[in-house]
Amino acid sequence: QKEVEQNSGPLSVPEGAIASLNCTYSDRGSQSFFWYRQYSGKSPELIMSIYSNGDKEDGRFTAQLNKASQYVSLLIRDSQPSDSATYLCAVAAGGTSYGKLTFGQGTILTVHP
Amino acid sequence: DTGVSQDPRHKITKRGQNVTFRCDPISEHNRLYWYRQTLGQGPEFLTYFQNEAQLEKSRLLSDRFSAERPKGSFSTLEIQRTEQGDSAMYLCASSLAGHRAKNIQYFGAGTRLSVL
Repeated sequence: QKEVEQNSGPLSVPEGAIASLNCTYSDRGSQSFFWYRQYSGKSPELIMSIYSNGDKEDGRFTAQLNKASQYVSLLIRDSQPSDSATYLCAVAAGGTSYGKLTFGQGTILTVHP
Repeated sequence: DTGVSQDPRHKITKRGQNVTFRCDPISEHNRLYWYRQTLGQGPEFLTYFQNEAQLEKSRLLSDRFSAERPKGSFSTLEIQRTEQGDSAMYLCASSLAGHRAKNIQYFGAGTRLSVL
């Protein structure tokens, strides 16, 4: 079992729709959770961080965390073609003192006009 | 704040040669990380430093790999006797860890290594 699992996709949604990206993790000691966006040939760019159960909203992005189910998700509202990228879920043990990130394999998102 | 800088951006080498990559972190960041990413996969952790101390090294990391951060600023990653399986994107990230710091990791553009 991989430590962090994502559906590799591709996930295709029409412009203006909600894109839902999911991630599960195996280490119950994980305390810090991140979503990074990576355009083809570019480096990962942080979109959201979440540390507590529940929802965290930032603009069109909402991260949801359920530690009991070991599940974290990212919702993108009003999806735009510019959102087309690979979305990486990353998990770390420890709070803000965490060290390494463990990444999932990424979900490819395509938003079509 | 000029971001995380990596050099070179691309490196082509022959099998068996040694290569060295450099990473310059964001200036006030005390932590520096190295990751490796292959096509279709997420980044895989290699090692990280806090200031000049190497705090963790992946158990998957071959003895052919070594990293240094001699003065707690820039870091180098050396791969000795390269193999074709070493072909990947090598990503560097930095963060500010400590009291009240969020310790968010910011990534550089990466060094793409091709071993022929």
